[in-house]
Amino acid sequence: GNSVTQMEGPVTLSEEAFLTINCTYTATGYPSLFWYVQYPGEGLQLLLKATKADDKGSNKGFEATYRKETTSFHLEKGSVQVSDSAVYFCALIIQGAQKLVFGQGTRLTINP
Amino acid sequence: DGGITQSPKYLFRKEGQNVTLSCEQNLNHDAMYWYRQDPGQGLRLIYYSQIVNDFQKGDIAEGYSVSREKKESFPLTVTSAQKNPTAFYLCASRVAGNSPLHFGNGTRLTVT
Repeated sequence: GNSVTQMEGPVTLSEEAFLTINCTYTATGYPSLFWYVQYPGEGLQLLLKATKADDKGSNKGFEATYRKETTSFHLEKGSVQVSDSAVYFCALIIQGAQKLVFGQGTRLTINP
Repeated sequence: DGGITQSPKYLFRKEGQNVTLSCEQNLNHDAMYWYRQDPGQGLRLIYYSQIVNDFQKGDIAEGYSVSREKKESFPLTVTSAQKNPTAFYLCASRVAGNSPLHFGNGTRLTVT
């Protein structure tokens, strides 16, 4: 089946630290991959996406590269800010499917 | 601006009462979805609809009902049969293909 596995949280970092949140997937077809961010009390917002192997999605200083050989889509940011504190979800959809498959989410806290 | 509107943001009900959560989108998306999120948890799919007058059960449909009479509207009714209705409910929509989901800002339902 199709599944997404994210690194366990919570993750706590100091401001200006380097961030990596790991995401790996299994897929029966050829997926498109997404990262979403959820701030407290809000819905999910699409952060970035990649639709084919070696694509790099980027937004607001965050990046993730679609690695087919390692079935991974790790989220990275070079220097995090307190305002990046949120829950991050990795997700995929298979071509022709009707539903996205989500990881369990990773809670990130950035301390000043 | 196009988007998804969920109302109300907070909803309180007594046990044994049915309650309907509203979801309206002006993105002209064909597909709409309802998710449930419990504290510190990921997303669980309740119902989804690909076209007007048609919908499918998700992973946790018991105790919930939906209708899709108009393309832009997908209301969710939480019935008295739902054992643990207190949760954060998220509505989402998307176009077909490999497109991502767009989410509303959620309704927090508290049943006492």
